[in-house]
Amino acid sequence: KAGVTQTPRYLIKTRGQQVTLSCSPISGHRSVSWYQQTPGQGLQFLFEYFSETQRNKGNFPGRFSGRQFSNSRSEMNVSTLELGDSALYLCASNEGSETQYFGPGTRLLVL
Amino acid sequence: AQKITQTQPGMFVQEKEAVTLDCTYDTSDPSYGLFWYKQPSSGEMIFLIYQGSYDQQNATEGRYSLNFQKARKSANLVISASQLGDSAMYFCAMRGFILTGGGNKLTFGTGTQLKVEL
Repeated sequence: KAGVTQTPRYLIKTRGQQVTLSCSPISGHRSVSWYQQTPGQGLQFLFEYFSETQRNKGNFPGRFSGRQFSNSRSEMNVSTLELGDSALYLCASNEGSETQYFGPGTRLLVL
Repeated sequence: AQKITQTQPGMFVQEKEAVTLDCTYDTSDPSYGLFWYKQPSSGEMIFLIYQGSYDQQNATEGRYSLNFQKARKSANLVISASQLGDSAMYFCAMRGFILTGGGNKLTFGTGTQLKVEL
């Protein structure tokens, strides 16, 4: 089976813009979770989608949103980008088992 | 709330030696899972090993073993026979099964940077 894929891998945006990141889970996995990784805050949970419904949400402002499609692919959107949004965004998928498998991440740089 | 503590920001080990990476946790969830992930400089998080809170035996996966001491709330990762390719950041993480309502939220520690030397 193919692993978790994320696109794009790298992204440069300017403050005030918005960005959409995409995640395709492992085939058959219905749960997709998103995490933000920064040097200062470490790895933080953003949200989780399961069967197109948000099941869990972290402590992030409303500028961060997500959705999941019927094929389990997920997108996250960040509006009105700030410098502090520069981070590695990781998504992970699983189905039933305890283990979440991560994608390679999207590195976002906000200038 | 859940908390993971990794007190070793960096560790050095010689090739072929064993190394232990420390992890302590805190949770009020009666059922939980503990994970270790490896993150090379490329950024991808690679799953290494899992231990359930009710598992009687310590988990092992090849050269990786998890030293689980429930009463002490510790879940240390032991890497035997270190290799140069083991140089990476290692994260301990946990997930609660009851109080989180079945969700998959992982709480991570701050990580330990492991460097394997010749």
